[in-house]
Parts: sequence; structure tokens; C-alpha cells
Amino acid sequence: DIQMTQSPSTLSASVGDRVTITCRASQSISTWLAWYQQKPGKAPNLLIYKASSLESGVPSRFSGSGSGTEFTLTISSLQADDSATYYCQQYNSYPLTFGGGTKVEIK
Amino acid sequence: EVQLVQSGAEVKKPGESLKISCKGSGYSFTNYWIVWVRQMPGKGLEWMGIIYPGDSDTRYSPSFQGQVTISADRSINTAYLQWSSLKASDTAMYYCARRAAVAEYFEYWGQGTLVSVSS
Repeated sequence: DIQMTQSPSTLSASVGDRVTITCRASQSISTWLAWYQQKPGKAPNLLIYKASSLESGVPSRFSGSGSGTEFTLTISSLQADDSATYYCQQYNSYPLTFGGGTKVEIK
Repeated sequence: EVQLVQSGAEVKKPGESLKISCKGSGYSFTNYWIVWVRQMPGKGLEWMGIIYPGDSDTRYSPSFQGQVTISADRSINTAYLQWSSLKASDTAMYYCARRAAVAEYFEYWGQGTLVSVSS
């Protein structure tokens, strides 16, 4: 199985800050990576697919980059509404696997 | 509008059986894979398995193979996740989601079904 490791597990930042979350794969997954946002009590919501493609309707302050084993999700200017947990997911091979999540808190 | 509507919360005892559902609408149900994802209390997301309602082709995560059964009834646009004998460790939120047409990420999600198993 491909292991996905996210860091940090929690981060606290102020409105307007640039925030970066990292996701590392235990083996190369090319660009077969998605990012999701999950707010408390809600289902996950797709933000990014194929490592850097923005899902329709997602604000442009979200962006993704990377390939191979290292990926990042960046929020260019953090908003209060971005308080959530973020997960990466690889879809290079079965079983599909998710990272452990990064909880983003607003200071 | 694509929608996945899941069945309601369940409270069960260990050893009981259970089948939860996920009804798709607003798209051609038989043409898109449906996945089931577990989220234990306070924990992350786990991929359980996936089914193609068009022909019921099903794949399971090794972690869940033999523990659950995924099925679909295309006549009523509904996918199912079932257990024959629940354990307390099955307590979790379960989500269904629709896979994208050309890759294994998930564009649309159900609202989740909370399963609580306790004696």
C-alpha cells in the first residue's frame, strides 16, 4: 500500500496569511493526487485533483503543486471560512489511501 | 444537480447485521463508480471499497475485504454497504461518494451515515 504522510498535523495562522500543507507519498504517484477540505460535521469537499487542477467553484486562493512523492496545498490568503481539516488522497494504485489530515485553525 | 443521499443514523448492538444505502440522482447512476469511505470518531478518512453499478464490478481495500459487502441495485439507483455481524469497532461515520469519470478522485459526496455499535 502507498502511505501518505501529511505535515503539519495542525497549524494555526491568521487571516491573510499564506498557508502551506505538505503531503508525501511512500512511492512515486506521478500527479495522481487530490486534496479535500472537511469542515466539522460535514462530508469532504474536493478542492484539487491531478495535483494542481482546481475543481470548479473552488476559490482561486487554493492551489496545488508537486509530482512524484512530494506535494503541497497552498492557501494564498487565509480566510476565516478556511478553518477545516485538509486531506490528500493518492489515486495512483489500489488501495486508494488518504493522508492523516491537517487541521487548520484561525488565530 | 448531482446528489447522493444516504440513509439515516443507526444504533445497533454487537453481532447484529446492518445495511446502509446511498441513492444517486441527477446523473446516469450506472456510469459512475461509487466509493465507500469510513471515518472513525476524531480520525481520518479510510477507503473501504468501490463499485461500478453498471455491472456490479467491486473492489475492496484489503483492510475491509471480508468485513463488509458492497452492492448496488441499478434499478433504484442505490448503492449499499452491509455488515453481517457488527463490532463496536465499526462505530464510525460512513460516506459514499461518486468517482470522477476518468480518475479515482471523488467529486460528489453523500451527507454521511453515522453507525453506532454498543451493547
